[in-house]
Amino acid sequence: GAGVSQSPSNKVTEKGKDVELRCDPISGHTALYWYRQSLGQGLEFLIYFQGNSAPDKSGLPSDRFSAERTGGSVSTLTIQRTQQEDSAVYLCAGRGGSAAPNTGELFFGEGSRLTVL
Amino acid sequence: RKEVEQDPGPFNVPEGATVAFNCTYSNSASQSFFWYRQDCRKEPKLLMSVYSSGNEDGRFTAQLNRASQYISLLIRDSKLSDSATYLCVVNSHNTNAGKSTFGDGTTLTVKP
Repeated sequence: GAGVSQSPSNKVTEKGKDVELRCDPISGHTALYWYRQSLGQGLEFLIYFQGNSAPDKSGLPSDRFSAERTGGSVSTLTIQRTQQEDSAVYLCAGRGGSAAPNTGELFFGEGSRLTVL
Repeated sequence: RKEVEQDPGPFNVPEGATVAFNCTYSNSASQSFFWYRQDCRKEPKLLMSVYSSGNEDGRFTAQLNRASQYISLLIRDSKLSDSATYLCVVNSHNTNAGKSTFGDGTTLTVKP
């Protein structure tokens, strides 16, 4: 597609359930990032994938959070045993490669809004 | 201490005013710098990159001071449409790689 696509756009779940959030980046983007933004707050870095290198997981808040990127394209962020403090907008962004050479610009999806009851 | 710090504001200014935002970063090895704009309930979008020599794009001027580790954004002749949150971003690399760290943003409201 023309832009970064994230799904679901909205997810309401019960505490303790697992959720999966999906990101389809722009074709050709070599780097993919996940951020979390709570209401009225800034963007909190979660994880970053760069090509075939090991991902930078330094921002994942606990071992309940994990992410993978298959085939250098689609990425899935999984949150196990969700807690109320996980409620936030989860934003995916991509950049680099043939899609946007050497600009450094991050292209964001519209985000997945997660509400944990 | 946060890696990237911004004055959260809010900045409330009249149309036509000049307003400046500052941002400081803690990692002296940081390589590239940006300002993003985020409208309410929308995703962030690139406003401009920040170069060591300073750069200007219309009413917007960005500057970088590596020695003091701060970045600034100046908006001249503010418009109502400039109302948004402005995010300072610091990248660990100078190419399309590296970890990008965002400040918490500075909120600007331009009033008639």
